[in-house]
Amino acid sequence: QSALTQPASVSGSPGQSITISCTGTSSDVGGYNYVSWYQQHPGKAPKLMIYDVSNRPSGVSNRFSGSKSGNTASLTISGLQAEDEADYYCSSYTSSSTLHVFGTGTKVTVL
Amino acid sequence: EVQLVESGGGLVKPGGSLRLSCAASGFTFSSYSMNWVRQAPGKGLEWVSSISSSSSYIYYADSVKGRFTISRDNAKNSLYLQMNSLRAEDTAVYYCARTAGYCSSTSCYEFHAFDIWGQGTMVTVSS
Repeated sequence: QSALTQPASVSGSPGQSITISCTGTSSDVGGYNYVSWYQQHPGKAPKLMIYDVSNRPSGVSNRFSGSKSGNTASLTISGLQAEDEADYYCSSYTSSSTLHVFGTGTKVTVL
Repeated sequence: EVQLVESGGGLVKPGGSLRLSCAASGFTFSSYSMNWVRQAPGKGLEWVSSISSSSSYIYYADSVKGRFTISRDNAKNSLYLQMNSLRAEDTAVYYCARTAGYCSSTSCYEFHAFDIWGQGTMVTVSS
């Protein structure tokens, strides 16, 4: 099972919106609405930001939103803030024997 | 406070064994599936293994299948990962993580996501 494909880096200025893509296959991202997104600051544990493609856990800012089209899922951060600078990972359920697969990760830089 | 605390990491020689533990508190541990996720230094996240609430269903990544064993003790609110035949490429921070979900009065529903994470424990495989 190969990792899902994400851009290595995305940047934006404060207040702008950015979108991170996550491309898989019909066996994972495209086949199920089970995509989740995680934020990880350096030296910290990951934090769940989005689950089931577009649902936000309690306490997560509504500046974070998720969507999916075909085999590609996306995370959009609107009103970019300095605290959003972190690594972001997508993940999906997969019908392969491995059950879960993560993306390659995207470093978000706030200019 | 909902919390997961890993322990048991350390330095081990190639071919050696190590057992990781994860102590859960602040929630009904026996109602949730649990997982191990690892992160090699400077690399991305890699799902390692999952175990259902009653241990009926267990899954492994191909990279650890046959070498690692996940288990849990609901009476002790603890999750474990027995790692044998360790290789240099197993060097990573190992996180335990709870499968997101909720329980009503009659049933529990799980999401395919990890909502609570521990702080991680470092495993280094080197001679």
